Amino acid sequence: AQSVSQHNHHVILSEAASLELGCNYSYGGTVNLFWYVQYPGQHLQLLLKYFSGDPLVKGIKGFEAEFIKSKFSFNLRKPSVQWSDTAEYFCAVKDGNNRKLIWGLGTSLAVNP
Amino acid sequence: DGGITQSPKYLFRKEGQNVTLSCEQNLNHDAMYWYRQDPGQGLRLIYYSQIVNDFQKGDIAEGYSVSREKKESFPLTVTSAQKNPTAFYLCASKRDNSYEQYFGPGTRLTVT
Repeated sequence: AQSVSQHNHHVILSEAASLELGCNYSYGGTVNLFWYVQYPGQHLQLLLKYFSGDPLVKGIKGFEAEFIKSKFSFNLRKPSVQWSDTAEYFCAVKDGNNRKLIWGLGTSLAVNP
Repeated sequence: DGGITQSPKYLFRKEGQNVTLSCEQNLNHDAMYWYRQDPGQGLRLIYYSQIVNDFQKGDIAEGYSVSREKKESFPLTVTSAQKNPTAFYLCASKRDNSYEQYFGPGTRLTVT
């Protein structure tokens, strides 16, 4: 069965530090990849997505993610985090004809001012 | 404003009682989903529905039931058979030809 792994469960950074959150999936075929973010007290919302084409995708608020097919990875990056990036981040994958998203367990990011 | 509404935001029930969580969307989306979110466990799919009058079990459907009588509504009933009902419940929807899911604000259910 398809699975999604997020390696970091809790990350604490200082403002201006660089961020990279890992996401690996297990399906070997065509995939659609997503990062969602849940800010404290707010709806879960889409940060960025990859369907095809350029493997480096840019999302909102300066986030980007790189799809590396050979590594089954879709890591999320931001060069310089802000206190307002404090949130929970979820990686999700849709494979082939599956109508469901498979979700990672989430990474809780705390950015200290 | 287009979006997904879930009510109430907080819900308290006694053990042994069934409780129904509301989810309404005015986005004209075809598919709707119910997830349960527990700390450190990510989102787990309870039920989903692709069209009106049809729904499918997700990964943790036991102790839950749903209905989809209208396109805009997908209520979730947490029955007394659900062993650990205290959780944060999220409803989502998406267009039929899209993969992006839109989420509601969630309902936090506490059963004592």
